[in-house]
Amino acid sequence: AQKVTQAQTEISVVEKEDVTLDCVYETRDTTYYLFWYKQPPSGELVFLIRRNSFDEQNEISGRYSWNFQKSTSSFNFTITASQVVDSAVYFCALRSAGGTSYGKLTFGQGTILTVHP
Amino acid sequence: GAGVSQSPSNKVTEKGKDVELRCDPISGHTALYWYRQSLGQGLEFLIYFQGNSAPDKSGLPSDRFSAERTGGSVSTLTIQRTQQEDSAVYLCASSTGADTQYFGPGTRLTVL
Repeated sequence: AQKVTQAQTEISVVEKEDVTLDCVYETRDTTYYLFWYKQPPSGELVFLIRRNSFDEQNEISGRYSWNFQKSTSSFNFTITASQVVDSAVYFCALRSAGGTSYGKLTFGQGTILTVHP
Repeated sequence: GAGVSQSPSNKVTEKGKDVELRCDPISGHTALYWYRQSLGQGLEFLIYFQGNSAPDKSGLPSDRFSAERTGGSVSTLTIQRTQQEDSAVYLCASSTGADTQYFGPGTRLTVL
């Protein structure tokens, strides 16, 4: 069975601080995909990034960066110089690349990020 | 272009009534997914469609829940004889094949 763990339930920071959201996953699949989604107070889940299991290259997009380490089954997300608009719930998710559960996203419990001005 | 749309945005019903929730995927997306988000259970997968067929229904919590998709487009999630534990936000997503899933705004269901 697949499992995603986001150990940090809530994080509170002051604007301009850097913050890292942790994600650890479990899967028996050799090929899979990892995702981060953001859910702002409006409620809609917004896609941020997708990573393939065979591509461990880390990625930076503006103030966002992702650190994928297959050896530790982790896919952490860092926001540099956080802003109030970053306040949201962030979800890490996992999906198989094949098999009968191929379409299903398994989500972590989410991390509530609050950025104070 | 237009994103995933869901209707109604809010639904309040009485225990024991049937409800239908609708999802319009992004045009051209062949795959459609239903999830449920509740405080106690987080985000849970319900069912996945590829075209009009459902290869994975493993997340439907009971036989009171069913879903269909017609014309490879619109999908309806039906809950019969609603119970209070069905209260949640029901989210729909769509994708092109195996690609990233894009989510709609959800339907908040409250069962009194």
